[in-house]
Amino acid sequence: TQLLEQSPQFLSIQEGENLTVYCNSSSVFSSLQWYRQEPGEGPVLLVTVVTGGEVKKLKRLTFQFGDARKDSSLHITAAQPGDTGLYLCAGEVQVNRDDKIIFGKGTRLHILP
Amino acid sequence: EAQVTQNPRYLITVTGKKLTVTCSQNMNHEYMSWYRQDPGLGLRQIYYSMNVEVTDKGDVPEGYKVSRKEKRNFPLILESPSPNQTSLYFCASSPAGERASYGYTFGSGTRLTVV
Repeated sequence: TQLLEQSPQFLSIQEGENLTVYCNSSSVFSSLQWYRQEPGEGPVLLVTVVTGGEVKKLKRLTFQFGDARKDSSLHITAAQPGDTGLYLCAGEVQVNRDDKIIFGKGTRLHILP
Repeated sequence: EAQVTQNPRYLITVTGKKLTVTCSQNMNHEYMSWYRQDPGLGLRQIYYSMNVEVTDKGDVPEGYKVSRKEKRNFPLILESPSPNQTSLYFCASSPAGERASYGYTFGSGTRLTVV
């Protein structure tokens, strides 16, 4: 069974600080996605990375896909209260000739004003 | 606006009373899926559909049914709900063959409580 482990599970930091959250697996993924979920809403796609070593930036968020395509990180610079939410990573693997997307359990981030 | 619409948003029901949660998308997506989200367990796939009249079991299909008679609709049916089906449910859709790059569009969720 492929597992995506996200760490930390919870993170509470002050506004303006930097942070990194991680998504790790023993499996190789053909692509990896990051979502943010706010209370009372469904997850919203932030980014997809597909190439080993790929780095993508979305304003203050930097996403990196590991060289071996088994792990990913999300770095937030100068965190804002609006960054508060549940961050989910999701990896695509092939299961029985069907492409399946597997979600991690998420990192719950709280930015204190 | 491109979206996935779920109804109802909140539902409290009693054990054994059949219910249906509706899901509709206006993006002409071929792929649709149902997930449940529980504390400590994350998002778990219940059923998915690659296209009209094609449905497959996900990781936790027991106690659920789905149908895909039209491309836009993918209802989730609980024939005889039990308390262990109390959860937050999400419907999601994506273009076929592009889930990796396009990702999923999720609905806003249905919070179901079975007493």
